Amino acid sequence: EVQLVESGGGLVQPGGSLRLSCAASGLTLSNYWMSWIRQAPGKGLEWVAHLQPEGSGTWYVDSVKGRFTISRDNARNSLHLEMNSLSVEDTALYYCTTGGAQWGQGTQVIVSS
Amino acid sequence: DVVLTQSPLSLSVTLGQTASISCRSTQSLVNSGGNTQLGWFHQRPGQSPRRLIYQVSNRDSGVPDRFSGSGSGTDFTLIITRVEAEDVGVYYCMQYRHWPHTFGQGTKLEIK
Repeated sequence: EVQLVESGGGLVQPGGSLRLSCAASGLTLSNYWMSWIRQAPGKGLEWVAHLQPEGSGTWYVDSVKGRFTISRDNARNSLHLEMNSLSVEDTALYYCTTGGAQWGQGTQVIVSS
Repeated sequence: DVVLTQSPLSLSVTLGQTASISCRSTQSLVNSGGNTQLGWFHQRPGQSPRRLIYQVSNRDSGVPDRFSGSGSGTDFTLIITRVEAEDVGVYYCMQYRHWPHTFGQGTKLEIK
């Protein structure tokens, strides 16, 4: 059974940083397009970052470019999202997904002073 | 960015009846291989989204055949026949032809 389990969310002040993680079981992440998608409270879905299989090609939505970094740890079969210079607009539930096919349960990020 | 416009934004359907959701794109979603990169997702309250349909009309594993997708180019439709109580929630279309991948605003389905 495929499982994606996110962690690392929390409450952080504006300008702060967080590192989200996604632990995978039942599949090898390096074989898949991997993505982080977020959902602000009461809002729709926004694709944040995308990482190609095997290689290191990455794509980011404009609002997070230069602040967020998506990466994969093949040895640990995990996906990460390094988030810097966080703003209140980054407050959301962050989901790890295999390009939309399989989803984790999400990890909550709250940016507030 | 590609904008996906869903209609209606809310839908109230009697159990057993049919629901139809439209999704229109501002750009063609056909890739160089001739595949159309449009999917549909369902999110129940308090749950993660679940993909129902990919490439316009292909159902994901375990998705009942009451769900069907159709369309081409820039106009797409999700049809849910024989609506059941478990179908409530928000439905999103999503394009993965152009970066950034984008979602429609969502259509909230409730039971009348």
